[in-house]
Amino acid sequence: QEQLVESGGGVVQPGRSLRLSCVASGFTFRSYGMHWVRQAPGKGLEWVALISNDRSEKYYADSVKGRFTISRDNSKNTLYLQMDSLRADDTAVYYCAKDGLDSWGQGTLVTVSS
Amino acid sequence: QAVVTQEPSLTVSPGGTVTLTCGSSTGAVTSGHYPYWFQQKPGQAPRTLIYDTNSRHSWTPARFSGSLLGGKAALTLSGAQPEDEAEYYCLLSYRGPWVFGGGTKLTVL
Repeated sequence: QEQLVESGGGVVQPGRSLRLSCVASGFTFRSYGMHWVRQAPGKGLEWVALISNDRSEKYYADSVKGRFTISRDNSKNTLYLQMDSLRADDTAVYYCAKDGLDSWGQGTLVTVSS
Repeated sequence: QAVVTQEPSLTVSPGGTVTLTCGSSTGAVTSGHYPYWFQQKPGQAPRTLIYDTNSRHSWTPARFSGSLLGGKAALTLSGAQPEDEAEYYCLLSYRGPWVFGGGTKLTVL
């Protein structure tokens, strides 16, 4: 059974950094691209970033470009999202999802507040 | 970055049919945007209903179907059930980045 488990969320001050992790199991992680998607409280879904299976391609939403970095370690079946220069409007539940978007984690909450 | 538009809200009667649409600020939506449709209920992660315009997953009820209609992606629900009341999101690919629509709140009443 495919499973994605996010971690690393929490409360952080504006301007600081945070790194999210997503551990995958139940499928061949190295064969799939991976997405990060977020959802601010009471708001809609926002696509954040995509990394190809071999790390050769990375894409970002304009709202996070230059501040967030997506990466992965295929030896650890783990996806990462390094979030720098955090702002209040980055407050959201962050989901990881397998390319094809047929498997999603349950999300981790990031709150940016002073 | 493109803007993807959906109806903010729609209402359908039980047993009725409703079509949700998904437009792009860059022009007509085509199969090359690989349209996805997701259902999300309160407190839950999104669940994919339709991918690549009109393909269903094994868990997608047959009453949901996807298509291209008038330059937009469309999700049609035929024979609405009370459990279909939810938020529905479309997602389009722009040859690298992806963009979600703002979501449609579907009420079954």
